[in-house]
Amino acid sequence: DAKTTQPNSMESNEEEPVHLPCNHSTISGTDYIHWYRQLPSQGPEYVIHGLTSNVNNRMASLAIAEDRKSSTLILHRATLRDAAVYYCILSGAGSYQLTFGKGTKLSVIP
Amino acid sequence: EAGVTQSPTHLIKTRGQQATLRCSPISGHTSVYWYQQALGLGLQFLLWYDEGEERNRGNFPPRFSGRQFPNYSSELNVNALELEDSALYLCASSLMGGLTDTQYFGPGTRLTVL
Repeated sequence: DAKTTQPNSMESNEEEPVHLPCNHSTISGTDYIHWYRQLPSQGPEYVIHGLTSNVNNRMASLAIAEDRKSSTLILHRATLRDAAVYYCILSGAGSYQLTFGKGTKLSVIP
Repeated sequence: EAGVTQSPTHLIKTRGQQATLRCSPISGHTSVYWYQQALGLGLQFLLWYDEGEERNRGNFPPRFSGRQFPNYSSELNVNALELEDSALYLCASSLMGGLTDTQYFGPGTRLTVL
């Protein structure tokens, strides 16, 4: 499975935008980029996914580099509820399970 | 609509015993995944079931096994429990199992092995 690299932790002030980076230099052409997050004492929850084009949904935006070797999850206005561990995951043909790395622990400061 | 449910919430066993964990997927979902989240090791994939068949398994010994029932619910069995099996076991379900299928996770079963 292609690997992803994320910073261990990040901090953001409440109501400010947050950009969470992810490097995946060995991504293959058919790998999708998924983001999940895990709030304290809960199971992970889906945030967003994409292949090549930037994606938006009600929770976040996903910006994918043109060479697809990196991506950025954008939370437009961080709230206290967004404090969680964010996982960037690749899925390719035949590997429908999610391979979680260590993720980025996001702290939101009131 | 009900989410993924897991039972029990907590389970305490002693070394050498067997543990059985249960998962009910979201209605209409045919794929069920099991993950282990041990302290310091992160989330690791255990097993994937779809339409009653085991489709893939992670790097775990054979004493971790499971099955999927005709109603798509699933059971994870851990035999000959070891102390390092203490972890949060998470179940997820998805519509059919695919590259872009969203996985919906349950709250987990906390297994403690004494």
